[in-house]
Amino acid sequence: GAGVSQSPSNKVTEKGKDVELRCDPISGHTALYWYRQSLGQGLEFLIYFQGNSAPDKSGLPSDRFSAERTGGSVSTLTIQRTQQEDSAVYLCASSLQGVGAAEQYFGPGTRLTVT
Amino acid sequence: TQLLEQSPQFLSIQEGENLTVYCNSSSVFSSLQWYRQEPGEGPVLLVTVVTGGEVKKLKRLTFQFGDARKDSSLHITAAQPGDTGLYLCAGRRSGGSNYKLTFGKGTLLTVNP
Repeated sequence: GAGVSQSPSNKVTEKGKDVELRCDPISGHTALYWYRQSLGQGLEFLIYFQGNSAPDKSGLPSDRFSAERTGGSVSTLTIQRTQQEDSAVYLCASSLQGVGAAEQYFGPGTRLTVT
Repeated sequence: TQLLEQSPQFLSIQEGENLTVYCNSSSVFSSLQWYRQEPGEGPVLLVTVVTGGEVKKLKRLTFQFGDARKDSSLHITAAQPGDTGLYLCAGRRSGGSNYKLTFGKGTLLTVNP
């Protein structure tokens, strides 16, 4: 399909392990966003990419979280030394451009469970 | 601090009933969006409102942006089971960070047949 895809769809990991979450944006979309959705919470902004650069990392909750984007396309969100409070659905979105009111298209998310 | 407050948090109604969901803030937004999210999927954009006092209709859904651009409402007429889902409002600020959406916690709507 032509939509945003994310993998894996579900991930169960033990506390202290590292995890990598992948996002494939819509082809041609230069802007990419990561959000976190916890139970009972709205979507929490994590990071914004314009091309391969991340001008806004302000939403990353701690230095255990990092993200990169390569080739202006695929992005990976890495969580090191996972904690139980990291359990959430991680959503990726992309848009044609970052500025202005460009519509963000969301992927189905990765549900992360830290045991 | 939750910049966008949605109410009610949960709503369970019978098919055919009308309902209104509210999204309130003390902040001004350049635009406000409404999304619907179904289990296991990402949010899908329903509408964007940008002008104070603006009203947009999408079939049985009516969206309104407050005159001061601080609040919005979603009204559904004659709700159907297919309307079941999590409704999220999201605001966009003007200026350099206008790429960023601030989301409310959502209203979980269940329409019973």
